[in-house]
Amino acid sequence: DTAVSQTPKYLVTQMGNDKSIKCEQNLGHDTMYWYKQDSKKFLKIMFSYNNKELIINETVPNRFSPKSPDKAHLNLHINSLELGDSAVYFCASSQERLLYEQYFGPGTRLTVT
Amino acid sequence: KNQVEQSPQSLIILEGKNCTLQCNYTVSPFSNLRWYKQDTGRGPVSLTIMTFSENTKSNGRYTATLDADTKQSSLHITASQLSDSASYICVVTPLSGGYNKLIFGAGTRLAVHP
Repeated sequence: DTAVSQTPKYLVTQMGNDKSIKCEQNLGHDTMYWYKQDSKKFLKIMFSYNNKELIINETVPNRFSPKSPDKAHLNLHINSLELGDSAVYFCASSQERLLYEQYFGPGTRLTVT
Repeated sequence: KNQVEQSPQSLIILEGKNCTLQCNYTVSPFSNLRWYKQDTGRGPVSLTIMTFSENTKSNGRYTATLDADTKQSSLHITASQLSDSASYICVVTPLSGGYNKLIFGAGTRLAVHP
């Protein structure tokens, strides 16, 4: 009965490849997010998305693209992977309200070699 | 310089002791300030959320305070337990800018020893 789940948990791939990380939430939330946590442990929001609007952090390269088949899923597709993409990626979800409680997934550790 | 600075960077305390973690921010105006707990290898879990008009918020043994005048927040942990060992992250949401403007601190890594 995991609230926010991500797959895979670990992903090792070579530079130049294209990969996807899947995220699913069973909380009935309207909004989902992708975060990147780098080696210094800073969390940075990459995208937020609900069935009405996609908000993109302007610092995210366009090699990263979120795809939402329905409001319970938000997948992250990454093209032409680079060494600097190595990080832990977290998916999260929340209701769309002012003091929204965010629920995070367990994270996907991406290593680009 | 990050807009949300946390101190100390790391802290070691003995089980049963209290501790206080600090968060200084320059984000202004802001909508709310949150504290998250992140266990190693896990996603962050929300502890408290305070609006700019609130001064304190408790969640069990965790008490967060906020001084909007000095732009400081603290997280006080009472009677620490081994399970409190984690990173504690302060997050500020600016009043404008929407979801993509959440600003995270680097966190304080707390280790509770028996």
